[in-house]
Amino acid sequence: QVQLVESGGALVKPGGSLRLSCAASGFKFNDYYMSWLRQAPGKGLEWVSYISSRSSSSHNADSVKGRFTISRDNAKNLLYLQMDDLRVEDTGIYYCARPQQPLTHDAFDIWGQGTTVTVSS
Amino acid sequence: DIQMTQSPSSLSASVGDRVTITCRASQNVYSYLNWYLQKPGRAPKLLIYGASNLQSGVPSRFSGSGSGTDFTLTIHSLQPEDFATYFCQQSYSTPSITFGQGTRLEI
Repeated sequence: QVQLVESGGALVKPGGSLRLSCAASGFKFNDYYMSWLRQAPGKGLEWVSYISSRSSSSHNADSVKGRFTISRDNAKNLLYLQMDDLRVEDTGIYYCARPQQPLTHDAFDIWGQGTTVTVSS
Repeated sequence: DIQMTQSPSSLSASVGDRVTITCRASQNVYSYLNWYLQKPGRAPKLLIYGASNLQSGVPSRFSGSGSGTDFTLTIHSLQPEDFATYFCQQSYSTPSITFGQGTRLEI
């Protein structure tokens, strides 16, 4: 079935780095733009980063610009988020998500289960 | 970024009630408005897309309306499984999509 599975979350010190992965299955991964979103403890949802289907374009939220890099490997159906210079405020659950329609960045109908990132000294 | 404001932030209701949640955008988002439900410890689930279109598999007691800056999510006849947190999301201003702060629906 259509599925996204994140991994890579961990406890890391401020200023540290982490790479999250998202394994996609059950759909044609290289037809879809993909996004990372996050949710701080007890808070709402925040879009973090998105990448086009063939990696020709990507965008980050201002809160992570210059620190996070999104990438994908269409041959392996994998989405990544490289997070550098982590801050306490980056703590939260990170979700990868797929939009409802190919080649759009719109409503997300498929979400992973989330992976937890904790930034603390 | 477009700011999304939901009201109320929380509300109490009973099984069988009709409930309405409001979402207001800081600028015109046309019909690029989506609604999600999230239960504790779970990922969000898409309920409504394009302001009024019911996502496949979502019960018909859920409905959405509105356009421009003002939107509503209505749940007709609440069921026990509907008690959760609801988020609106605008997808007009891509790639910088934004969410409302959430509405917690409690028994």
